[in-house]
Amino acid sequence: GAVVSQHPSRVICKSGTSVKIECRSLDFQATTMFWYRQFPKKSLMLMATSNEGSKATYEQGVEKDKFLINHASLTLSTLTVTSAHPEDSSFYICSATLPASGYEQYFGPGTRLTVT
Amino acid sequence: AQSVTQLGSHVSVSEGALVLLRCNYSSSVPPYLFWYVQYPNQGLQLLLKYTSAATLVKGINGFEAEFKKSETSFHLTKPSAHMSDAAEYFCAVRQSGTSYGKLTFGQGTILTVHP
Repeated sequence: GAVVSQHPSRVICKSGTSVKIECRSLDFQATTMFWYRQFPKKSLMLMATSNEGSKATYEQGVEKDKFLINHASLTLSTLTVTSAHPEDSSFYICSATLPASGYEQYFGPGTRLTVT
Repeated sequence: AQSVTQLGSHVSVSEGALVLLRCNYSSSVPPYLFWYVQYPNQGLQLLLKYTSAATLVKGINGFEAEFKKSETSFHLTKPSAHMSDAAEYFCAVRQSGTSYGKLTFGQGTILTVHP
């Protein structure tokens, strides 16, 4: 149980375009989802906390107009990287919390974004 | 705010040897602590967690960690390393004062296992 999926697993886009990444909790309802960014050989950096039906809370330094987060249902959150640039290339990981498990985070497999 | 520090960005052991990955935390309140493992190009998998119950926590794949308040440590150990243990390991602390389980991660330790 508590499986989180991400789609796509890899995406290559051209500079200036936008790309959407989906995060789904497959077998539970997640009131909260988190989006992380991981640079090569680095730790996970929390970008934002996403609560179903409300606006995402962004961490300091993360541009909310560039990284649009939507959490329209209890099983789906999306991250849209708008007007992507090569420096946005990274590994993006989402996680979802299950209140019944004490808000333990369950992580998706990640999405590798490459902007050319 | 709580934080964790992982000592050693790389650890190399021989197959069958003891694995010891170090994590120290900083927290003004009793912390919730976690160890995660990440294989290349994959997400994170929970190995074990400390939630103020038993100080010695047993996890999956033969790993365990001991919470030592006096040393503010939560080191991860495994008696005998397997080749399949080669991965990156992250220590994390849950931030208090949030109801959503927000985590702060350490820098990560890459474990290499030699035949």
